[in-house]
Amino acid sequence: GQQVMQIPQYQHVQEGEDFTTYCNSSTTLSNIQWYKQRPGGHPVFLIQLVKSGEVKKQKRLTFQFGEAKKNSSLHITATQTTDVGTYFCAGTNQAGTALIFGKGTTLSVSS
Amino acid sequence: KAGVTQTPRYLIKTRGQQVTLSCSPISGHRSVSWYQQTPGQGLQFLFEYFSETQRNKGNFPGRFSGRQFSNSRSEMNVSTLELGDSALYLCASSFSPGDSYGYTFGSGTRLTVV
Repeated sequence: GQQVMQIPQYQHVQEGEDFTTYCNSSTTLSNIQWYKQRPGGHPVFLIQLVKSGEVKKQKRLTFQFGEAKKNSSLHITATQTTDVGTYFCAGTNQAGTALIFGKGTTLSVSS
Repeated sequence: KAGVTQTPRYLIKTRGQQVTLSCSPISGHRSVSWYQQTPGQGLQFLFEYFSETQRNKGNFPGRFSGRQFSNSRSEMNVSTLELGDSALYLCASSFSPGDSYGYTFGSGTRLTVV
């Protein structure tokens, strides 16, 4: 079945450093979504990418969808302590399967 | 507007018992999905319902079942509980499957099996 893999599993950075998490799917995706889960909280929707090669920005966050629609990345510029949490990518394939999540990348930031 | 409501928030059950978890989606949302979250395994997909029909099912044993009612509220049931079923069960709702506005998650039900 469809699998979504994320790397790295954990990342620790100093405040002000950049951070990137990568997401790869075993199948071509129809779309990819990104979520953030703060410690003790539940996942919160950040963004959806649909088009091949699409790039979207939200303030310091940059999201990319690969040309083949099988990979995606989330880049955070100049991390802040408020960026702490686990970032999940999730995708549906073109057969209309359910939204399948990667295992997430947990970001910790020290000031 | 009210968010996704999951009840109960916490539950302790004994091995072999059964449990029913409830999820009330955001008003107007007709799609409900359930996920099991455990440390190290991330969010594992259980079921997806849309307009009272199970649209997709994850790779879980038959002890896990669910349903959706005409008001879009959903329940999931786990029978013959095992220690490994201890997890945070998250419900998420959306207007429809693959909604571009994404899923809205509830706060979850934390199930502990002893």
